[in-house]
Amino acid sequence: DAGITQSPRHKVTETGTPVTLRCHQTENHRYMYWYRQDPGHGLRLIHYSYGVKDTDKGEVSDGYSVSRSKTEDFLLTLESATSSQTSVYFCAISDPGLAFYEQYFGPGTRLTVT
Amino acid sequence: AQSVTQPDIHITVSEGASLELRCNYSYGATPYLFWYVQSPGQGLQLLLKYFSEDTLVQGIKGFEAEFKRSQSSFNLRKPSVHWSDAAEYFCAVGALNQAGTALIFGKGTTLSVSS
Repeated sequence: DAGITQSPRHKVTETGTPVTLRCHQTENHRYMYWYRQDPGHGLRLIHYSYGVKDTDKGEVSDGYSVSRSKTEDFLLTLESATSSQTSVYFCAISDPGLAFYEQYFGPGTRLTVT
Repeated sequence: AQSVTQPDIHITVSEGASLELRCNYSYGATPYLFWYVQSPGQGLQLLLKYFSEDTLVQGIKGFEAEFKRSQSSFNLRKPSVHWSDAAEYFCAVGALNQAGTALIFGKGTTLSVSS
């Protein structure tokens, strides 16, 4: 399995509070991604990174920001959590050295906003 | 715009029977295509991947998928299903961007295995 960890694995927070989720990889892969998974929607891309300090928006980026100061860490921040951000969040990694640019996923973080 | 359709939300198969999960995609060029599996409470595991080579692709756990360009399909198959195959299966199409491939996922098919 790819060396990807996510922390925390579970979190309950209140509406309006800031929340930061962390993705850490030991594969030295260049690309990193944040997805959210909701019933009936599959996975949707929030933000991605193509290098240290290089990030861009995905399909559902409103209300989220990201930062990548080191190759191994990719942080997802909810500046002011809302109930619509209750979801399971997955981090994924990839690299230009992979023939199919396939992505490998972390174990996920279940976030509940009350 | 890219899109992926998995027409079957839920399928039940008897243990030992064959399996086919359907996936149709919309993409203007030759796509990168993937199948992932997710067991309850787990992350996604890559089953197989495809780009522009043989039309029949072999993956892990005895799964294979056939690419049919004329039908814009990439169906997943397994000759004999085991109870441990019960999970949710996602098809995804990827388009190259500055960060590898931007994956668009289907909404998933849940597989139940009956004894």
